[in-house]
Amino acid sequence: EPEVTQTPSHQVTQMGQEVILRCVPISNHLYFYWYRQILGQKVEFLVSFYNNEISEKSEIFDDQFSVERPDGSNFTLKIRSTKLEDSAMYFCASSEMRGGQETQYFGPGTRLLVL
Amino acid sequence: AQSVAQPEDQVNVAEGNPLTVKCTYSVSGNPYLFWYVQYPNRGLQFLLKYITGDNLVKGSYGFEAEFNKSQTSFHLKKPSALVSDSALYFCAVRDRDFNKFYFGSGTKLNVKP
Repeated sequence: EPEVTQTPSHQVTQMGQEVILRCVPISNHLYFYWYRQILGQKVEFLVSFYNNEISEKSEIFDDQFSVERPDGSNFTLKIRSTKLEDSAMYFCASSEMRGGQETQYFGPGTRLLVL
Repeated sequence: AQSVAQPEDQVNVAEGNPLTVKCTYSVSGNPYLFWYVQYPNRGLQFLLKYITGDNLVKGSYGFEAEFNKSQTSFHLKKPSALVSDSALYFCAVRDRDFNKFYFGSGTKLNVKP
């Protein structure tokens, strides 16, 4: 069964550094998402992406964050100048279509630790 | 404001007994409703969804959920729990007009042998 993959599984970085989290969505999916889950808290929506542009973003997704689909397969989340509070599990998701019939399929997540 | 509530942080049930994990929502209009399960160190796995139609939705691993519009609830149920069902369960709703999911805080299900 096709699945969403994410790399790396774990990332440790120093505060102020930039990190890039990578995702390979399911191949025929057109909608892509990033979520984060701070330890012990709920999953929070960050951003959705379609047709090479951001379709929606949350208030969390400020100028520190950016997303890109640099080629036909990868979908990346860049976090500039990381802060301690960026430490979380970051999940990528993808879906086939917009509308009620869609189901988002999640990757296994990247655990980011900012020291 | 859109919100999803899972009132129980943890649910404990004995293997073989029925289980219920509660979810209520506050979303404008008629949202789409989902349940996801998260096993330790794993991503979220889709269990089931309600779009329209029959209020009782059947999903993966023997789980089902009942949509109750008047109570704005979407409780997850299983007639006979397994130890392997022990995991973190998230309720999510999606606004029909916006491509954004709202997640509950999660409920840890512990099934004891």
